[in-house]
Amino acid sequence: GESVGLHLPTLSVQEGDNSIINCAYSNSASDYFIWYKQESGKGPQFIIDIRSNMDKRQGQRVTVLLNKTVKHLSLQIAATQPGDSAVYFCAETALSGGYQKVTFGIGTKLQVIP
Amino acid sequence: KAGVTQTPRYLIKTRGQQVTLSCSPISGHRSVSWYQQTPGQGLQFLFEYFSETQRNKGNFPGRFSGRQFSNSRSEMNVSTLELGDSALYLCASSPPTGRVSMNTEAFFGQGTRLTVV
Repeated sequence: GESVGLHLPTLSVQEGDNSIINCAYSNSASDYFIWYKQESGKGPQFIIDIRSNMDKRQGQRVTVLLNKTVKHLSLQIAATQPGDSAVYFCAETALSGGYQKVTFGIGTKLQVIP
Repeated sequence: KAGVTQTPRYLIKTRGQQVTLSCSPISGHRSVSWYQQTPGQGLQFLFEYFSETQRNKGNFPGRFSGRQFSNSRSEMNVSTLELGDSALYLCASSPPTGRVSMNTEAFFGQGTRLTVV
């Protein structure tokens, strides 16, 4: 069936370095993608989104890249900080029957080394 | 504006019991979705409600059910609890978009941590 998966379950990064978290999706009908951050004991929080008519979107210290050709999504975090330590989920959204269907990946745990 | 509120935050039940979890969406949000999160499984979609109607359902057994009230608050119920039902149950609400063709992000609550013993 359709699925969203992550290449790396755990990513360790030195504080100050840039982090890149990758995500592969399989539903070619997906047209809206979201990255969420989940800290321990909390629900997922929205970080950044991108629609399929774009290939790059930038936020504060974060950039999302979308490559529709290979169905790949990435989240780049600049100057990673200890507060960035969390599990990051990508989510793909496709409209089905007039409403959206959201599929989440398993998640990548980002560990920032001070 | 208050966020998505889930109650209770923690719950311990024994096998065979049933449980009801509650979710109050952000004011003005009419879509409420429920997810089960377990280690290594990510977020598994349970169901989605919109205007008191279930319009999307994941691949969970019939023991998992839900409903939505006229004020958009939602409850999910799990009957005949099994040990494998131990998980974090997350509720998310989405704002109205004004256009059926526009999709939007979901706002999550803190979740209810259910432990079945």
